[in-house]
Amino acid sequence: EVHLLEFGGGLVQPGGSLRLSCAASGFTFSTCAMSWVRQAPGKGLEWVSGISGSGARTNYADFVKGRFTISRDNSKNTLYLQVHNLRAEDTAVYYCTKMVGGTIANFDYWGQGTLVTVSS
Amino acid sequence: DIQMTQSPSTLSASVGDRVTITCRASQSLSGWLAWYQQKPGKAPKLLIYTASTLQSGVPSRFSGSGSGTEFTLTISSLQPDDFATYYCQQYHSYPLTFGGGTKVDIK
Repeated sequence: EVHLLEFGGGLVQPGGSLRLSCAASGFTFSTCAMSWVRQAPGKGLEWVSGISGSGARTNYADFVKGRFTISRDNSKNTLYLQVHNLRAEDTAVYYCTKMVGGTIANFDYWGQGTLVTVSS
Repeated sequence: DIQMTQSPSTLSASVGDRVTITCRASQSLSGWLAWYQQKPGKAPKLLIYTASTLQSGVPSRFSGSGSGTEFTLTISSLQPDDFATYYCQQYHSYPLTFGGGTKVDIK
C-alpha cells in the first residue's frame, strides 16, 4: 500500500526557512516522479514543484522564484522541499504527491499534508 | 500558463441527482486532464485521468468526458459520500494547474 507521510511544517516568521520532508513507502520510490502541491486555508489547490525519479529534472511554479528547492534521497525514500524567505502568502497545507508516469502528470497518491504558517 | 476554469463554483443537489461539473482550459489539453475529489480536512483523491479513465476503486457512477478545451465530470446518481469539492487539473504542460474547484453541497 502506498503511503506518503509529510513532516517539517510549523509556525515560522516572515523571511524564515523550513525544510519539509515526505517519507514514502509501498512503491518503488526511485522510479516515480514526485511533486509538492499546496492549499492555502479555504482556497484551492496549487502545484508548487516537481522532480523526476532520478532527481535530475526539477520544475517550479513561477511564484517560487528561487525561494524553494525540491530534492530527493532515493536511498531513504524521502522527498524534500527547502523553503526560504517565506511570506504570509506561503501559508498553506503542503501535500506530497506521487505522480503517474513522468514529471508532467497527474497525482495518484497524496500525503495527509503538513501545515506551514507564516506569521510574526 | 494554461488557465483552468470550473463551473459552477458551488452546486446544490440532492441524493440521487445527476450532477455535471464543467472544466474549461485556456488552450487545448489533448486529453491530459484529471479530476479529484476533496473532503474537508482531507487530502484530494484522484477520480479520473486522461479525461475519461476511471481510477481503480472509484465507483462507476463517476465519469469523465471531453477533449480539447472543454471537459465534464458527471456523477450519475449522487450519493451521500459524494458531497465534497471537486477539482480539475491539466497536465499538458508546465506549470501544472488546477481549476478553482466546485463544491457540491446538500440541497
